[in-house]
Amino acid sequence: DADVTQTPRNRITKTGKRIMLECSQTKGHDRMYWYRQDPGLGLRLIYYSFDVKDINKGEISDGYSVSRQAQAKFSLSLESAIPNQTALYFCATSLSRGFNEQFFGPGTRLTVL
Amino acid sequence: KNQVEQSPQSLIILEGKNCTLQCNYTVSPFSNLRWYKQDTGRGPVSLTIMTFSENTKSNGRYTATLDADTKQSSLHITASQLSDSASYICVVNALTGGGNKLTFGTGTQLKVEL
Repeated sequence: DADVTQTPRNRITKTGKRIMLECSQTKGHDRMYWYRQDPGLGLRLIYYSFDVKDINKGEISDGYSVSRQAQAKFSLSLESAIPNQTALYFCATSLSRGFNEQFFGPGTRLTVL
Repeated sequence: KNQVEQSPQSLIILEGKNCTLQCNYTVSPFSNLRWYKQDTGRGPVSLTIMTFSENTKSNGRYTATLDADTKQSSLHITASQLSDSASYICVVNALTGGGNKLTFGTGTQLKVEL
């Protein structure tokens, strides 16, 4: 979805490196999310933010941190990457009202060697 | 524990044929259920949403059903096309004291062949 963009789209890094994944949206949504997707597993929530000053841990936040620089920008950092963080990472946005439909970005494929 | 289970894991059908994907959930308290389509290399895109009071909802060739009593949903695809090849993900939204909580199924990988 062109309204939610993620950079980079692909990244290969080495164990121990610090990595930042970025997400931007033009949908005007107040809520933003970071998920990871692994083969055979459903999408799992890492962090979510209801507005710039409200950031919450998801079910698998260990080893990750986030920053909500503005309503439209939400970054995910891996402080010291490890191989089991190799996955497909998705950013999503939603409105605070309604049925919580989430709009996903195109994903970032991260490989940690 | 809230869970969403989908079946089959994968499916191959011929173009023009119909198919039905299943979703069983134990999520509570139930708010709504959504089916997403995820093309390879893309993010999931919503197909339909169903609330507690809805039994059937259609979106073109896609028809979703919901039985809230048995906690089951299905997605029926009619007259399949090659472009229907994708992963279909069932997502159930629980409305808890802490707000909305989504539980994602692992998806059904559909391949439509000539």
